Amino acid sequence: KQEVTQIPAALSVPEGENLVLNCSFTDSAIYNLQWFRQDPGKGLTSLLLIQSSQREQTSGRLNASLDKSSGRSTLYIAASQPGDSATYLCAVSWETTDSWGKLQFGAGTQVVVTP
Amino acid sequence: SQTIHQWPATLVQPVGSPLSLECTVEGTSNPNLYWYRQAAGRGLQLLFYSVGIGQISSEVPQNLSASRPQDRQFILSSKKLLLSDSGFYLCAWSSGTGVTGANVLTFGAGSRLTVL
Repeated sequence: KQEVTQIPAALSVPEGENLVLNCSFTDSAIYNLQWFRQDPGKGLTSLLLIQSSQREQTSGRLNASLDKSSGRSTLYIAASQPGDSATYLCAVSWETTDSWGKLQFGAGTQVVVTP
Repeated sequence: SQTIHQWPATLVQPVGSPLSLECTVEGTSNPNLYWYRQAAGRGLQLLFYSVGIGQISSEVPQNLSASRPQDRQFILSSKKLLLSDSGFYLCAWSSGTGVTGANVLTFGAGSRLTVL
């Protein structure tokens, strides 16, 4: 069964610390993996997209790595700020012929950055 | 640039009443369109997707239906709402061409439905 798991479910860090968010998936045959941010009551904002052929992607303070063989992705947020408080979701697009665009989401990690 | 709009943003409906949520995409043609639901305490679940006008695929059996009357319009409906239909509904689109584009989704702001 194809599953996406995010651990921990919640995380609280003081401002300035680096954040490390984990995502694991059970099948290495993926098209891509996306990291999203969701603020309370809001839609999803795409942060980073890693294609299956890539090992990492970077955008500003954000860096996401992908290790297909071990079924893991890690999102690093450097020098966290209170504005980084949100729920972070990872989503996998599985490499099966009928799954184009059918993302499977993890349950998310709720992050609180305290001033 | 492409934009996606959903409305209404918030809806409170009694059990047994009908539902219509609308989603439109601008700045692209022939997109793939999706409806996802986020129920309280649960992850995002794909409900419906469409690769063209009138073409709807359902991922899970339920009390809801979807329609695509125009290329860039996607509608989520119900004839009689249940309490379990409460949740946060998200519309998304992706490119209709190529494996790479089809798997990059952009989401709308969402519609929060509360069924009482």
